[in-house]
Amino acid sequence: GAGVSQSPSNKVTEKGKDVELRCDPISGHTALYWYRQRLGQGLEFLIYFQGNSAPDKSGLPSDRFSAERTGESVSTLTIQRTQQEDSAVYLCASSFSNRPQHFGDGTRLSIL
Amino acid sequence: QKEVEQDPGPLSVPEGAIVSLNCTYSNSAFQYFMWYRQYSRKGPELLMYTYSSGNKEDGRFTAQVDKSSKYISLFIRDSQPSDSATYLCAMSLEGKLIFGTGTRLQVFP
Repeated sequence: GAGVSQSPSNKVTEKGKDVELRCDPISGHTALYWYRQRLGQGLEFLIYFQGNSAPDKSGLPSDRFSAERTGESVSTLTIQRTQQEDSAVYLCASSFSNRPQHFGDGTRLSIL
Repeated sequence: QKEVEQDPGPLSVPEGAIVSLNCTYSNSAFQYFMWYRQYSRKGPELLMYTYSSGNKEDGRFTAQVDKSSKYISLFIRDSQPSDSATYLCAMSLEGKLIFGTGTRLQVFP
């Protein structure tokens, strides 16, 4: 029974490097969401896909952040020229239409 | 002022106690109200989901929404050590979720 799958589960990289995070949503879910969770804080919305288009990118913190979704399935979140403040857990969720969102276990990103 | 306010705790209770978790919000446009449970190093897990004022019960959990006061609650009856986790309230607005900061709950035997 496949839930939302995210990879890698952990990523450690040096400041200034680019990173790519992957999300495989639940099969058949049309909507896909990315959130960021900093230590001791709630989840912060980044971007949302309906199908392959992104009607709401309002949460992306800077132009170093981008995301795409292909085939109404897999999504990748890319962070260019990483900074230490990018260290966080990046969570992906999916849902069918406007039904509740179901989350993966996240990618724990550490920038040295 | 944050759109969703939640006491971070920690809240420590003995096994068997009734737990009350609360959130307040400022945006009357919120459409749906949810509670998620998050264990350490795991993603949030949906517990309760509602869209109207009133109570919704599921086993030991009861979610309460008061739209006139902009206040939601989650009650846990007969709390167990396995309920020890962080509880996040969330509210939906045009598809995206706005979360509280989470309340950390510890249930001791």
